[in-house]
Amino acid sequence: AQSVTQLDSQVPVFEEAPVELRCNYSSSVSVYLFWYVQYPNQGLQLLLKYLSGSTLVKGINGFEAEFNKSQTSFHLRKPSVHISDTAEYFCAVSGSNSGYALNFGKGTSLLVTP
Amino acid sequence: SQTIHQWPATLVQPVGSPLSLECTVEGTSNPNLYWYRQAAGRGLQLLFYSVGIGQISSEVPQNLSASRPQDRQFILSSKKLLLSDSGFYLCAWIRQGAPEAFFGQGTRLTVV
Repeated sequence: AQSVTQLDSQVPVFEEAPVELRCNYSSSVSVYLFWYVQYPNQGLQLLLKYLSGSTLVKGINGFEAEFNKSQTSFHLRKPSVHISDTAEYFCAVSGSNSGYALNFGKGTSLLVTP
Repeated sequence: SQTIHQWPATLVQPVGSPLSLECTVEGTSNPNLYWYRQAAGRGLQLLFYSVGIGQISSEVPQNLSASRPQDRQFILSSKKLLLSDSGFYLCAWIRQGAPEAFFGQGTRLTVV
């Protein structure tokens, strides 16, 4: 089975500053990795995904993440955040078990202030 | 293009009442379907998944059940709701062979 740990429950940051949201995973098999964003009272929107190939993946809204197999990490980064990036961010992992269901971390609340 | 519909958006139900939440997917066939619950301040917990009509797998023992009467329809039910069933319920689908999941807008259930 796969699992995900998001190391920070809350990350406050000033507008236009860089941000990194940390995610570590555990799995005994090859995995797929994802970052989703959730705005209040809404569903989840996919930011980016790692399936295979290049370890640096770029997503929507200027976000990117790097898959590091040796450190079992998939940290999310953005060089300059906006107020509108304030939201809950979830890291997720899936594999061939449970019908490729996603296993989510507990989420990181990103709060961007002026 | 594919879309996923989930309703209702909000629901307030008394303890002991029944529940039926519906999710339908359009624009694809034979998707994998999932029900998740998100409790306040917590992550998403997988409740059920289905890889085909009539095929339901439960991830956690609970007061809920799921059914898939049609290829693109997934229903979450309960005969008698508990206070602990309150939460934000999300339906999701995955295209066969592609692991990226797409989510509905969710149902906010409050059991009073």
